[in-house]
Amino acid sequence: AQSVTQLDSQVPVFEEAPVELRCNYSSSVSVYLFWYVQYPNQGLQLLLKYLSGSTLVKGINGFEAEFNKSQTSLHLRKPSVHISDTAEYFCAVSKNTGGFKTIFGAGTRLFVKA
Amino acid sequence: SQTIHQWPATLVQPVGSPLSLECTVEGTSNPNLYWYRQAAGRGLQLLFYSVGIGQISSEVPQNLSASRPQDRQFILSSKKLLLSDSGFYLCAWERAYEQYFGPGTRLTVT
Repeated sequence: AQSVTQLDSQVPVFEEAPVELRCNYSSSVSVYLFWYVQYPNQGLQLLLKYLSGSTLVKGINGFEAEFNKSQTSLHLRKPSVHISDTAEYFCAVSKNTGGFKTIFGAGTRLFVKA
Repeated sequence: SQTIHQWPATLVQPVGSPLSLECTVEGTSNPNLYWYRQAAGRGLQLLFYSVGIGQISSEVPQNLSASRPQDRQFILSSKKLLLSDSGFYLCAWERAYEQYFGPGTRLTVT
């Protein structure tokens, strides 16, 4: 079975500072990895995904992530955050089980301060 | 383009009352559909998923049920709500491993 661990429940950061949100996963088979963002009282939307190929993945809103197979991680980064990036971020892992079930991490609350 | 709708947006129900939440998807056919619950300050808990009409898989035994009467319609129900059913309910459809979420329903059981 797969599992996802988001190592930080909350990350406070000042505006224009860089940020990294950490995500580690565990699986006995190959998986696909995702980062989703959730703004208050809204559904989740996809930030980026890693399926295969290049380990550096570009996403929306200036986010990117680097896949590290040996460390089983897909950490999310942004070089300069804005107030509008304040949201909950979820890492997720999926494999084909006949229902494409996706396992989500517990979430990391990013709080950008002025 | 594809869109996903959920209603109602908010709901306050007393303990023991029934529940029906509806989710519909437009612009795609035969999608995989999911119901999740998100408790306050918590991650997403997968409740049900469906790969086709009438095909429902339950992930967590509880007093909730789901049905898929039409290809693009997914309904979450309960005969008697519990206080612990309060939360934010999200419906999602899937394409190529990516999930697309609806706006959610905020349920408060009093």
